Amino acid sequence: GAVVSQHPSRVICKSGTSVKIECRSLDFQATTMFWYRQFPKKSLMLMATSNEGSKATYEQGVEKDKFLINHASLTLSTLTVTSAHPEDSSFYICSARLRTTYEQYFGPGTRLTVT
Amino acid sequence: RKEVEQDPGPFNVPEGATVAFNCTYSNSASQSFFWYRQDCRKEPKLLMSVYSSGNEDGRFTAQLNRASQYISLLIRDSKLSDSATYLCVVNIRGGGFKTIFGAGTRLFVKA
Repeated sequence: GAVVSQHPSRVICKSGTSVKIECRSLDFQATTMFWYRQFPKKSLMLMATSNEGSKATYEQGVEKDKFLINHASLTLSTLTVTSAHPEDSSFYICSARLRTTYEQYFGPGTRLTVT
Repeated sequence: RKEVEQDPGPFNVPEGATVAFNCTYSNSASQSFFWYRQDCRKEPKLLMSVYSSGNEDGRFTAQLNRASQYISLLIRDSKLSDSATYLCVVNIRGGGFKTIFGAGTRLFVKA
């Protein structure tokens, strides 16, 4: 299957700082990438859809000014958690969708802990 | 009603058992269907796409019934390593394109 990388895999930051997470499709071009968060033992929650060259589409209840998404190229999308707070601590996972089959391939996730 | 519903689980089965997962979807504009597995504290991994003609990959068989809006996944001769959460995923086209994940069904395979 297609390969998606995500960096960093784990980050601990202090309250009030910003954290950037990168998501790359390594062997295919992805016009559409997705950002999810997942709390322990809970379902994936879609935060936003990232479209290359245009603004991201955010799900209801997700603050676009807090979770900045940039999809500047066909292989890279970034999520920046601005002014992080402890309640932002979660597992953030990106995925990239193949244009032909609509299969989504996930990155390994980023575990964010805000102290 | 949720757009994608799965058995709540968990399923606890012995090694070698056959396990069936069920999933129903409510939107008739649903276009493509997938099963993913997710291990604890890991990302979901695509297990298989699901086609109307049914498809099989080793011990895994997926079926789609469009008339009943029902998807299934059968695991034969289950192994300890099959223990995971199985997610039913549906792509819907209509006024845009969106992907809906089921809540998942947890499987525990025991020796």
